[in-house]
Amino acid sequence: GQQLNQSPQSMFIQEGEDVSMNCTSSSIFNTWLWYKQDPGEGPVLLIALYKAGELTSNGRLTAQFGITRKDSFLNISASIPSDVGIYFCAGPPNFGNEKLTFGTGTRLTIIP
Amino acid sequence: DAGITQSPRHKVTETGTPVTLRCHQTENHRYMYWYRQDPGHGLRLIHYSYGVKDTDKGEVSDGYSVSRSKTEDFLLTLESATSSQTSVYFCAISEPVPGLVYEQYFGPGTRLTVT
Repeated sequence: GQQLNQSPQSMFIQEGEDVSMNCTSSSIFNTWLWYKQDPGEGPVLLIALYKAGELTSNGRLTAQFGITRKDSFLNISASIPSDVGIYFCAGPPNFGNEKLTFGTGTRLTIIP
Repeated sequence: DAGITQSPRHKVTETGTPVTLRCHQTENHRYMYWYRQDPGHGLRLIHYSYGVKDTDKGEVSDGYSVSRSKTEDFLLTLESATSSQTSVYFCAISEPVPGLVYEQYFGPGTRLTVT
């Protein structure tokens, strides 16, 4: 099946730094979703992208739908302690919209 | 928060015993999903439902069965639990919007340990 590769797998940053992560696929996706999972909880939807080239913000978070339709990017500005967690990208594996494929996640840790 | 609850939240069981996990929603969403989450694998779809009594397999369905007799409840059953089924299980729901991917909303998870 289609796979979504996320990089980096983990990040260690200091509070206040900006964060960038990405998600790539070997095939075209028509939608990209970004989720965040806090320890011990279920993933929470952050941002949904539906058009190639689209740039969408949610507070300090900004996500972009890559022009090639094979990648997406998530940026976090001025990180704060509550940004700690695992960030997942997801998208429909085919042109049906009812199922999602998830990336393996980027784990964000903030160093005191 | 989406109205999704999962029960139990934690369970320890022995190999070979049957186990049923429950997902309950108050949102009246048409689609419900069961995923498992394991280190290094992200979230993998086990089964999903697109309506009462309508279900289909996901990518890791072997050893699992599901049932949906009411819109609000989706049950996941391990007929004979194995140690490889030790995992965290998440339920998700979504409501179709024409022309858009069905954005999924997740429950809090059930941590299952098979000894």
